[in-house]
Amino acid sequence: NAGVTQTPKFQVLKTGQSMTLQCAQDMNHEYMSWYRQDPGMGLRLIHYSVGAGITDQGEVPNGYNVSRSTTEDFPLRLLSAAPSQTSVYFCASTNGGRQYFGPGTRLTVL
Amino acid sequence: DAKTTQPPSMDCAEGRAANLPCNHSTISGNEYVYWYRQIHSQGPQYIIHGLKNNETNEMASLIITEDRKSSTLILPHATLRDTAVYYCIVRVTSTGTASKLTFGTGTRLQVTL
Repeated sequence: NAGVTQTPKFQVLKTGQSMTLQCAQDMNHEYMSWYRQDPGMGLRLIHYSVGAGITDQGEVPNGYNVSRSTTEDFPLRLLSAAPSQTSVYFCASTNGGRQYFGPGTRLTVL
Repeated sequence: DAKTTQPPSMDCAEGRAANLPCNHSTISGNEYVYWYRQIHSQGPQYIIHGLKNNETNEMASLIITEDRKSSTLILPHATLRDTAVYYCIVRVTSTGTASKLTFGTGTRLQVTL
């Protein structure tokens, strides 16, 4: 199993650009989440999904959209990038209360 | 989910046991204690979890006090590769909230020679 994979690993955007961070898992987990981590901070929950077709907001959802059309994929869309969205983004899937994290995407918005 | 309190940093000599404390005085009866760690900008890694009994796996041991208001993660023989930020999280394990973990700032463990 590849576990949780994320692409790209690094991304630089200009203010106002949009992009999609990809996340996929091959463990058939129903529950998936997106977090962001700012320097020196803990992880903050952006959006999560309890199954295909079902998503909900986390702690810091503004400026981000998600969809869950399949069990495997949970993409995160930045609608209009802002410098405040410069961060490391982690995707995770959950099974039995245990979360499995991807390697992260490092995003810089200029 | 109950709030947790951890020391911001700790040091440990390589080969010695690292004991990381966590206070969770408002824990509810159905809330588990989870421990994760994050090694230098990598994704967090699950270590161990428990409800009220002490638990042990290949990575660590978890000691939960009888009143469940605090716990200690024990790395029995710390190595340099154990240098990381360790997060203690208390939450209910249920399907509806399984995706939601609240991470604090954790304890930064530095293992030294």
